[in-house]
Parts: sequence; structure tokens; C-alpha cells
Amino acid sequence: KAGVTQTPRYLIKTRGQQVTLSCSPISGHRSVSWYQQTPGQGLQFLFEYFSETQRNKGNFPGRFSGRQFSNSRSEMNVSTLELGDSALYLCASSFTGHTEAFFGQGTRLTVV
Amino acid sequence: GENVEQHPSTLSVQEGDSAVIKCTYSDSASNYFPWYKQELGKGPQLIIDIRSNVGEKKDQRIAVTLNKTAKHFSLHITETQPEDSAVYFCAASYHDYKLSFGAGTTVTVRA
Repeated sequence: KAGVTQTPRYLIKTRGQQVTLSCSPISGHRSVSWYQQTPGQGLQFLFEYFSETQRNKGNFPGRFSGRQFSNSRSEMNVSTLELGDSALYLCASSFTGHTEAFFGQGTRLTVV
Repeated sequence: GENVEQHPSTLSVQEGDSAVIKCTYSDSASNYFPWYKQELGKGPQLIIDIRSNVGEKKDQRIAVTLNKTAKHFSLHITETQPEDSAVYFCAASYHDYKLSFGAGTTVTVRA
């Protein structure tokens, strides 16, 4: 059974640009969550989607947005990139959001 | 919101010894407590979890205990091996579809 797949694995962007990250959940999982991981702030919740609806959102500015498609695949977008957005972005999937969550390998974003 | 504190931040143990990591949480409504292991360059891997209706759960060399009254839970690794070296995260969750993580514990197993 395939795990959570995140693409791309690495990205380098310039300040002011925007970026889109993709996450394909485990087959059958309908909940997808996104987390930002940095050395200073640790793992912080961005948002969670279930059946194409955002059910919860963390304390991040509006530059961070996401969506989920009918096949449960999800994307997150960061607009007007800042140096502080450099981080490992992790996606996790679970059946319903109340069950075990499994993480992908993450996308390492570097903003220069 | 939920606040999870994790101790210690680093832990060095001799191979074969036990390792214990402790976490406390602030929201008494939290009812799900997973533990993740993260190796360098990889995403967090779920290693064990416990729900609030259970006091202890064991899986081979790994066990987790939960004290709801004191709002703390612990991870116990027995007979540690070099492959147990990693960063371990505890987390807590309520019915809000998000995990609140501790800051992590870097475990080093000395051969």
C-alpha cells in the first residue's frame, strides 16, 4: 500500500514569488492535514481538509492557502514568499481526521 | 489552544538501556495522544498512540502510558538499539482534526 506522496521534494524560490505544493494521501484516506516544520517553531498546524472542505485552520497569515480535490489529493499555496517561509512542509493523511495520521516525506522549501 | 510540553530535549542512552520521554498537555478535552519518530530527511513516522479511555499500551519494545488526572503521558523504549536513534515527538488532539506537537526529543543510542 503506497504511503503519502508529496511533490516536489525540494524547492528553491525567490522572495515575492508564490509556490504550490502537492500531496497525494494514502488510498481511501479522505482527510489531509498540512504542517510547517522549522527548527525554531517545531511542527505547526496549517490546515485540514476533508471531502474538499476546510475544517480547521491554524494561525498562519492569509498568504497560506490550500484546497482538496474530489480524489482527496490536496495542494497548498503560499503567495508572496518571505524568507521566514523556508521550512519543511509536511502533509498527513487519515481516514476521517479522528484516526491515525500518516505523514509524507515533506517538501523542503527554501526562500532566497 | 492546546499546549504540549516535552522533556527532555535530548537523551543519550547506552545500547540495551531504557529511554523515557515525558509530555504534558494543557487541554483536558484532548483524547488522542500519538507518538512519532522522525529520522533525518524523512517525515514523522507514527510509532504508537493511545486514547484517553486507555491507561497503557504496549507494542514490542515500545510502551506509552497516560495519566489523565495529571495530564501527562510518557513513551518508554526498552532494550534500545542504534536504530532507535532519532527525534521523537509527542502530540495531543481533540475533535478538531489537528495535532498539537511537543518540541521533540533527540534520542542518541550509544553502541
